[in-house]
Amino acid sequence: GAGVSQSPSNKVTEKGKDVELRCDPISGHTALYWYRQRLGQGLEFLIYFQGNSAPDKSGLPSDRFSAERTGESVSTLTIQRTQQEDSAVYLCASSPLAGGLNIQYFGAGTRLSVL
Amino acid sequence: AQTVTQSQPEMSVQEAETVTLSCTYDTSESDYYLFWYKQPPSRQMILVIRQEAYKQQNATENRFSVNFQKAAKSFSLKISDSQLGDAAMYFCAYRSAQGAQKLVFGQGTRLTINP
Repeated sequence: GAGVSQSPSNKVTEKGKDVELRCDPISGHTALYWYRQRLGQGLEFLIYFQGNSAPDKSGLPSDRFSAERTGESVSTLTIQRTQQEDSAVYLCASSPLAGGLNIQYFGAGTRLSVL
Repeated sequence: AQTVTQSQPEMSVQEAETVTLSCTYDTSESDYYLFWYKQPPSRQMILVIRQEAYKQQNATENRFSVNFQKAAKSFSLKISDSQLGDAAMYFCAYRSAQGAQKLVFGQGTRLTINP
């Protein structure tokens, strides 16, 4: 029983480059979430998927951020034209069902550093 | 919008002693869920304990228990018989019972265990 897997673990990029962050949820989990954690801060919600649809994208900070999910499995978070303020840990979580007391199981995150 | 506040950026406790971490939240909703997550240096968020707002009985999980005061909008975490492995960042989180599936996190409390 593998947990939530995220890759890469660490990513260093230059300002202005595009990056893709990958999340492999726990098999069978229908709900998938992306959060951002700036240094020394709590987690900020970015986007939520139910299956392959994203009913809540309210946390995406700008149109440089996008995400997709395919096959009700893997999700990719893409940041275009990265800026230094995008530096953070990006955490993915999955859940068997959405809402209620359903536990969100988290991956170890991708630490993004924009130089 | 709901907010979660953790007023203690850092706490420390002697091994085997008891420590309480504070959390308050702001909401106009009557039905919701509350969670405590632990984040060790590995970055992976781990659920510690969860509580349904409509249940007056405080949740307990082994050495971990909560003091849920709905009227005061307070949800503190008590760790008994503290162990070295309890050292981590602790985050309080809120989830609405309707609509939004996201977790709203506090800023976190760094817990240090002194041997």
